[in-house]
Amino acid sequence: AQSVSQHNHHVILSEAASLELGCNYSYGGTVNLFWYVQYPGQHLQLLLKYFSGDPLVKGIKGFEAEFIKSKFSFNLRKPSVQWSDTAEYFCAVINTGGFKTIFGAGTRLFVKA
Amino acid sequence: ETGVTQSPTHLIKTRGQQVTLRCSSQSGHNTVSWYQQALGQGPQFIFQYYREEENGRGNFPPRFSGLQFPNYSSELNVNALELDDSALYLCASSQHDSISYNEQFFGPGTRLTVL
Repeated sequence: AQSVSQHNHHVILSEAASLELGCNYSYGGTVNLFWYVQYPGQHLQLLLKYFSGDPLVKGIKGFEAEFIKSKFSFNLRKPSVQWSDTAEYFCAVINTGGFKTIFGAGTRLFVKA
Repeated sequence: ETGVTQSPTHLIKTRGQQVTLRCSSQSGHNTVSWYQQALGQGPQFIFQYYREEENGRGNFPPRFSGLQFPNYSSELNVNALELDDSALYLCASSQHDSISYNEQFFGPGTRLTVL
């Protein structure tokens, strides 16, 4: 069965530190990959997505993610975090043409000012 | 462009009762998916509706059922509520006939508490 694993459940960083959140999925076919963010008190918002093409995708607010097919990974990165990046981040995968999006358990990021 | 809306915001029910949650899709979207998000977990796929038909289902029992209406709004019905049904229920809409139809837009959710 498909699954998504996010390695860190809680991450605490100081402002200006670099961020990398791990995400691995299990599925052998062609997939679409997403990172969603949920800011405190707000609903899930799309941060970035990978459908095809360049495996390095850029999203909003300076976030990027790299799809490494051989490693079944889609890690999220940001060179310098801000206090406003404090949120919960979810990695998600769906097989291309499918209907069921599988989410990871989420990573809670807290950025200290 | 109107985003995804859900009602009610919060709901408290007792075990054995039935509940109906509602969702209005983002304008131009014809597909609705429902998710259950328990505390501390990621959203879990319940089912998806497209053109008023169930398009796919996750690992949820039949007491979880849904409807989609001609205007693409949707309902999630849960019968015989159990304590474990307490969760945030999310609705997400997408455009099935577009190249990026897997890109979903989420509503704010309905927080259901079962006592």
